[in-house]
Amino acid sequence: GENVEQHPSTLSVQEGDSAVIKCTYSDSASNYFPWYKQELGKGPQLIIDIRSNVGEKKDQRIAVTLNKTAKHFSLHITETQPEDSAVYFCAPYGNKLVFGAGTILRVKS
Amino acid sequence: GAGVSQSPRYKVAKRGQDVALRCDPISGHVSLFWYQQALGQGPEFLTYFQNEAQLDKSGLPSDRFFAERPEGSVSTLKIQRTQQEDSAVYLCASSSSGTGRTGELFFGEGSRLTVL
Repeated sequence: GENVEQHPSTLSVQEGDSAVIKCTYSDSASNYFPWYKQELGKGPQLIIDIRSNVGEKKDQRIAVTLNKTAKHFSLHITETQPEDSAVYFCAPYGNKLVFGAGTILRVKS
Repeated sequence: GAGVSQSPRYKVAKRGQDVALRCDPISGHVSLFWYQQALGQGPEFLTYFQNEAQLDKSGLPSDRFFAERPEGSVSTLKIQRTQQEDSAVYLCASSSSGTGRTGELFFGEGSRLTVL
């Protein structure tokens, strides 16, 4: 099955700095690459996704980049704000959505 | 409501009891998923429905776990003879995508099960 790893497991940044979370996967057939954000006591919420025919996608302060050859994709958050503090999960899709273990992002004001 | 609704939000069960967790997906969403999330971990896939058909139940950890969606809308996850290792948050998600796999999943807030 799909093996998914996220790095780092925790990330602390100062407000206004950038944050980058990397996700590596094993299934070369994966063709859909979403990132979910989970706040305490809530379910995950999709924040951005990318498909395999695109290398980068940006939505305001959030971007995702994909390297299919190396089998990894990354979440980039610029100008971080305290409300960005949450757990972030990658969930590459091969024949099912497999979630990574999560990255705890803390934005210090 | 506009989102995915799950009930109960919290459930405490004694070991050996049966529990039933309910999910009301977004109206019209054909795909429904159940995930199990242990503390500090990512959601783990349990099962998937397209309308009333259970197309994938490969993630159900044992035959004590059973899910149904008889009319293609509301779904129930049942756990028989609960064990302490069943303690987790059970998340339900729905999607408008017919294939159910490559579109946005809308998650409920989850049902937190604690087995004593």
